[in-house]
Amino acid sequence: QVQLVESGGGVVQPGRSLGLSCAASGFTFSTYGMHWVRQAPGKGLEWVALISSDGSNKYYVDSMKGRFTISRDNSQNTLYLQMNSLRAEDTAVYYCAKDSHDYGGNLDYWGQGTLVTVSS
Amino acid sequence: QPVLTQPSSHSASSGASVRLTCMLSSGFSVGDFWIRWYQQKPGNPPRYLLYYHSDSDKGQGSGVPSRFSGSNDASANAGILRISGLQPEDEADYYCGTWHSNSKTLVFGGGTKLTVL
Repeated sequence: QVQLVESGGGVVQPGRSLGLSCAASGFTFSTYGMHWVRQAPGKGLEWVALISSDGSNKYYVDSMKGRFTISRDNSQNTLYLQMNSLRAEDTAVYYCAKDSHDYGGNLDYWGQGTLVTVSS
Repeated sequence: QPVLTQPSSHSASSGASVRLTCMLSSGFSVGDFWIRWYQQKPGNPPRYLLYYHSDSDKGQGSGVPSRFSGSNDASANAGILRISGLQPEDEADYYCGTWHSNSKTLVFGGGTKLTVL
């Protein structure tokens, strides 16, 4: 069965960097686009980024362009999110999610999420 | 890109049917979009329910009961999630989402908290 397991969350000071990982299993990872979506405490879902199946295309929400970088290693079935210059408003649970196509916005499987807390 | 607007809350009795709406902002037509629906219960990640574009282009998530269905309301320029035979376990937050191919961005609605009375 499809499994997505995020890791790397924790408490980080404002202005610092943090990297998240998402280990995928149960499907042919290299065939599907992958997303990061975040959810601030008590708030709704906010899409962060998408990477195409072969990693050649990357798309971001405007507010995170230049600070966040999505990447993937298809040989390791792993998705990454590098977050720089973190701010208090980046505090959220970060989910990785599988697209049902290369990219089309159908997020058919989600991980359990990893909590990132930006605080001094 | 489009903005998706959902009522913040909705309540209905167990056994009833509900229509949750997801309205597209002015300048965008619901018929041009594939609207996805997600269910999220407290402490859990979102769960994919279904997508709807037209009666000939729709899909159900794996294991999602058929009492969850999608449609469009062109007059309201809105995507609709219909849940029939409401059960207590349907109490959750429901989010709509869509991919905007022109801007290459994915947008979510603000979510509707459904209470089953």
